[in-house]
Amino acid sequence: SAVISQKPSRDICQRGTSLTIQCQVDSQVTMMFWYRQQPGQSLTLIATANQGSEATYESGFVIDKFPISRPNLTFSTLTVSNMSPEDSSIYLCSVEQGNWETQYFGPGTRLLVL
Amino acid sequence: AQSVSQHNHHVILSEAASLELGCNYSYGGTVNLFWYVQYPGQHLQLLLKYFSGDPLVKGIKGFEAEFIKSKFSFNLRKPSVQWSDTAEYFCAVIIFKAAGNKLTFGGGTRVLVKP
Repeated sequence: SAVISQKPSRDICQRGTSLTIQCQVDSQVTMMFWYRQQPGQSLTLIATANQGSEATYESGFVIDKFPISRPNLTFSTLTVSNMSPEDSSIYLCSVEQGNWETQYFGPGTRLLVL
Repeated sequence: AQSVSQHNHHVILSEAASLELGCNYSYGGTVNLFWYVQYPGQHLQLLLKYFSGDPLVKGIKGFEAEFIKSKFSFNLRKPSVQWSDTAEYFCAVIIFKAAGNKLTFGGGTRVLVKP
């Protein structure tokens, strides 16, 4: 199994600002994912982040708005840029350990944009 | 586009009642199937998973799910629920594609168990 931690756990931000969310895993993993869970909705994949390559974004998400870093096999960051109230969500980091049999999720970062 | 559908958005039932949550996916190729649960204020936890073998899989906390390939379904069941089963339940599917595998979630079902 994998234990995932995220920082911050929650934040309240002003519109127009940016927030960087950190994700730390207790083991080396090839693939890390970032999801968004908007209020009352399901999880939507933002992007896949592999170490040593550019993140791959899903339809509707762009690098300028959600830049991602993946400097090593245990860490990633997601930045939510130029925030608006519509960005208020829970952002979750997730990892897959190589065989696609289980995907683990972090506790999430609860973001409120005023 | 591939999708995952959960039939019920909200379910309310009493303790000891039986629970069945429907999940269908639209993809004809190889898939791995999951049910996740999110208890109030907590993060996602894996309930059970299926990727091959016996289509009836048993998970934690007395839950089970049956994969019916011909119906593209993976319904979750529990014979007798408890108040502590109050949570949101998500069906999820990993679709294997050359362009990259992806875990896709259904819309979720909020289950309220009344004591």
